[in-house]
Amino acid sequence: AQKITQTQPGMFVQEKEAVTLDCTYDTSDPSYGLFWYKQPSSGEMIFLIYQGSYDQQNATEGRYSLNFQKARKSANLVISASQLGDSAMYFCAMREASLKNTDKLIFGTGTRLQVFP
Amino acid sequence: NAGVTQTPKFRILKIGQSMTLQCTQDMNHNYMYWYRQDPGMGLKLIYYSVGAGITDKGEVPNGYNVSRSTTEDFPLRLELAAPSQTSVYFCASRGAADTYEQYFGPGTRLTVT
Repeated sequence: AQKITQTQPGMFVQEKEAVTLDCTYDTSDPSYGLFWYKQPSSGEMIFLIYQGSYDQQNATEGRYSLNFQKARKSANLVISASQLGDSAMYFCAMREASLKNTDKLIFGTGTRLQVFP
Repeated sequence: NAGVTQTPKFRILKIGQSMTLQCTQDMNHNYMYWYRQDPGMGLKLIYYSVGAGITDKGEVPNGYNVSRSTTEDFPLRLELAAPSQTSVYFCASRGAADTYEQYFGPGTRLTVT
């Protein structure tokens, strides 16, 4: 069965420093995708970044990059130059491939990031 | 574009009551999803739809029903509410041409007492 594991319940980082949030996944399907979502205290889910299993390069979006290591089945999120506004819950999710292309997402349990001055 | 909207934002139900959570998207997306998020947990899929008239069960469908009579609307019905259904409910949508990103609504916080 497909599964997402986030082993860090909480992380602290000082402002302007970089931080890595861990995510490992399990799937036997060769076609899949990995997402990171941010959930601030206000509760909404904000899409950050996406990596497809066949993408040759690691995905980047501004200060966010995804360190995709296929052989290790890991998809860690790297946030560079942390800002106070980055304090939030971060979820890793996997797109479950299907013939119907329904793109159901399987979520990890999340990592709470706190950025301090 | 309002994106994905959900109503109500908050609701308290008594055990055994029923209610409908509304979800509407104005992006002409074919795919729509309902997730629930229990405290301290990730989201779990309740139901999904690939287009008007077509729905299917997700990981945790028991106690819920859905319908999809139009492209825009995907209501979630709770029958005979139970305390175990206390959760935050998120609706999401995706267009077929997108890069798999699902757009989420703001969520509905439901408490069953």
